[in-house]
Amino acid sequence: EDQVTQSPEALRLQEGESSSLNCSYTVSGLRGLFWYRQDPGKGPEFLFTLYSAGEEKEKERLKATLTKKESFLHITAPKPEDSATYLCAVQPREGGSEKLVFGKGMKLTVNP
Amino acid sequence: ETGVTQSPTHLIKTRGQQVTLRCSSQSGHNTVSWYQQALGQGPQFIFQYYREEENGRGNFPPRFSGLQFPNYSSELNVNALELDDSALYLCASSSTGQGTYEQYFGPGTRLTVT
Repeated sequence: EDQVTQSPEALRLQEGESSSLNCSYTVSGLRGLFWYRQDPGKGPEFLFTLYSAGEEKEKERLKATLTKKESFLHITAPKPEDSATYLCAVQPREGGSEKLVFGKGMKLTVNP
Repeated sequence: ETGVTQSPTHLIKTRGQQVTLRCSSQSGHNTVSWYQQALGQGPQFIFQYYREEENGRGNFPPRFSGLQFPNYSSELNVNALELDDSALYLCASSSTGQGTYEQYFGPGTRLTVT
């Protein structure tokens, strides 16, 4: 069964304190791994897609990396506006649909 | 470029009733996926529509059904509502056949079943 586990479930950082979020996954065949940001009561906002082990993507203070079993979202010198829930999802290669299988998310709070 | 839109924003229904949620896909996208997100959980895949046909379904009962229209917009219908159906319903659009697999989400419809 395809599964995504995110850790930690919640994280509190001081502004400027860098950290990493972990997403471990099991999937029959990986088409892609996706990171989203979700603000309270809103829909997820697309951040990154990673397709193969060793791939890295960056956007402002965020950097996503991928290995064969997990992905990391590194947050460098975070600001309060980075506070949100970060969702990791995998898209299995098998099957006819392009469904996403999500983890539970990681709630990040950045204090000023 | 117009993003994904959903209506209504909020909805309150009584157990046993039926509900229809609507989604307009992002310009240029031909595939629509629906997800259910319970409080504190990640989104769960309900089903996907491509070329007006269901193209994959998650572990949801048949009382969850959908449609896709020629303009790629979509509807999610839920019959015989149960209390556990209370959730944020998310629609996402994507472009099948273009070599990219990103799904872009709408703002969601918050459904409360009492």
